Amino acid sequence: DAGVIQSPRHEVTEMGQEVTLRCKPISGHDYLFWYRQTMMRGLELLIYFNNNVPIDDSGMPEDRFSAKMPNASFSTLKIQPSEPRDSAVYFCASSFGSGHSSYEQYFGPGTRLTVT
Amino acid sequence: DAKTTQPPSMDCAEGRAANLPCNHSTISGNEYVYWYRQIHSQGPQYIIHGLKNNETNEMASLIITEDRKSSTLILPHATLRDTAVYYCIVRVAHTGNQFYFGTGTSLTVIP
Repeated sequence: DAGVIQSPRHEVTEMGQEVTLRCKPISGHDYLFWYRQTMMRGLELLIYFNNNVPIDDSGMPEDRFSAKMPNASFSTLKIQPSEPRDSAVYFCASSFGSGHSSYEQYFGPGTRLTVT
Repeated sequence: DAKTTQPPSMDCAEGRAANLPCNHSTISGNEYVYWYRQIHSQGPQYIIHGLKNNETNEMASLIITEDRKSSTLILPHATLRDTAVYYCIVRVAHTGNQFYFGTGTSLTVIP
């Protein structure tokens, strides 16, 4: 398996622009997570899905952030409009759910977002 | 999920065992201890997890005290590639699978 795939790996955009980050989870995993990592705040959970349904989005910082999972093999995280303080590395992760004792998450390589 | 406490940084000589401590004094009976690591610029990587008993895999060993209030991750023969931030996380296995990462321990393996 290729692991969790994220695109793009790097994104540089101007303030006010829309940004869309993409994630393809590991085939067969039924949980998908979006995290954000900054030096100041560390690794923060933004939202997670189970069987394509959003379960907890309490970590989403503002209404400017939205996430979708239209099918089991694809998810997007959108920021509209983007702001400089959104600059961070965004990670996607996936895992098996119930019935698996370990529940370890597998992380993608991340998308480094810079908003100028 | 229970809060964990880890030292912010540690050094270890290459080839020696690296022992990374974690305090989780408020852990509940149904909470597991997980360890992840993050090598610079990469996504976090699962290492090992356990509930009560000590565990060992190809990467590391996990030693959990009898009262479960603390644990130690052991890298038996540290290499330069083990330089990373190590996160200790405790969580209940059935609660939605979310993990809450703290600040971790930055391990530097010295040649």
